[in-house]
Amino acid sequence: DIVMTQSPDSLAVSLGERATINCKSSQSVLYSSNNKNYLAWYQQKPGQPPKLLIYWASTREFGVPDRFSGSGSGTDFTLTISSLQAEDVAVYYCQQYYSDSRTFGQGTKLEIK
Amino acid sequence: EVQLVESGGVVVQPGGSLRLSCATSGFTFYDFAMHWVRQAPGKGLEWVSRISWNGVNTYYADSVKGRFTISRDNSKNSLYLQMNSLRAEDTALYYCAKDDGRSAGFHGHDAFDVWGQGTTVTVSS
Repeated sequence: DIVMTQSPDSLAVSLGERATINCKSSQSVLYSSNNKNYLAWYQQKPGQPPKLLIYWASTREFGVPDRFSGSGSGTDFTLTISSLQAEDVAVYYCQQYYSDSRTFGQGTKLEIK
Repeated sequence: EVQLVESGGVVVQPGGSLRLSCATSGFTFYDFAMHWVRQAPGKGLEWVSRISWNGVNTYYADSVKGRFTISRDNSKNSLYLQMNSLRAEDTALYYCAKDDGRSAGFHGHDAFDVWGQGTTVTVSS
């Protein structure tokens, strides 16, 4: 199975500041035939199911604010929130969907400093 | 509006069996692969199983292989998870999730764009 490792496990950022979450996969999730990375980011707020934010590593889901951005390729990826808002407090997960056995990172808890 | 509604979660004894259901609406169910994902109390997300649009291809996490069976009934727009030989470590909130259909030529490889609210399974004596 592809192992997904996120860092840090938790993060406290001031309102309006940038938040950066990293995700590393144990093997490449880049599909060479279309040059797309099969990596998604999800946001989970307390008591709610996860919500898809980013797919193909860098494409925002419809309706997701543009302060959320994804980057990276191959095995190393980053989710950036450019200006943290109070409603962004949540746990964030990366997920690879390259292999038939999907795997998630362990999650990063984002809080307000 | 696309909706996924899970049901069937209860308290069950170790070694017991349970069948979860996921009723769907608002989209063409037979066009999409579906998944089960679970979340143990206070823990992260764990993918459990996937079924192709026609039910022919199924995939399982190693932790449930041989004990759980995913199935679907396209005539009823419903997804199921038969859970046998349940263990304490199967205690979790179980979500069903829908493929987003954006595999871009890498067929069957999609993110999960819609999730249900989940149903809770507790395995305890």
